[in-house]
Amino acid sequence: GDSVTQMEGPVTLSEEAFLTINCTYTATGYPSLFWYVQYPGEGLQLLLKATKADDKGSNKGFEATYRKETTSFHLEKGSVQVSDSAVYFCALIGRAGNNRKLIWGLGTSLAVNP
Amino acid sequence: DVKVTQSSRYLVKRTGEKVFLECVQDMDHENMFWYRQDPGLGLRLIYFSYDVKMKEKGDIPEGYSVSREKKERFSLILESASTNQTSMYLCASSLAQVNQPQHFGDGTRLSIL
Repeated sequence: GDSVTQMEGPVTLSEEAFLTINCTYTATGYPSLFWYVQYPGEGLQLLLKATKADDKGSNKGFEATYRKETTSFHLEKGSVQVSDSAVYFCALIGRAGNNRKLIWGLGTSLAVNP
Repeated sequence: DVKVTQSSRYLVKRTGEKVFLECVQDMDHENMFWYRQDPGLGLRLIYFSYDVKMKEKGDIPEGYSVSREKKERFSLILESASTNQTSMYLCASSLAQVNQPQHFGDGTRLSIL
């Protein structure tokens, strides 16, 4: 079945460092891909998405490119801030069968120090 | 703006009690979901509903039931609460169309003593 694998955390960075959180997937056909963010004490928020190969999703300085050849959707940010400290989830919706359900990665915790 | 509201942020109940968690969305979304979130296990889908009075089991439905009598409201019911149901519970909703993202509430942290 469909699955999402993302790098384990926690990731600890200094402010203004470059961030990469790896995400790879297994799915039939061409899924849609998402990154969600969960700030402390809150629910999840959609950060960005991409629905077809080579699409780049971007929001709040974060970017991720849908790479069909490597089945990846890595999250990047050029210069992180303390306020980016959160848990980041990669997810997909498959094209086959029931496409209402998101398939989730386990989440990667990011801590940014001043 | 999109709004999913969960009735309680924190809830403490006793073993054996019947527990109701309520979720309301104001976006006229067809789909609604209940997840639980546990450290190291990520998000696990309990139940979802794609229409009023319709429901489907997710990955871990045992010990839970749901109710969707109105489009905007989706209730999660713990029939007889047990300590292993202590968790963070998250409600979400989405439009019926393909590839639509889910919108989440702030979660209910439930403790079963």
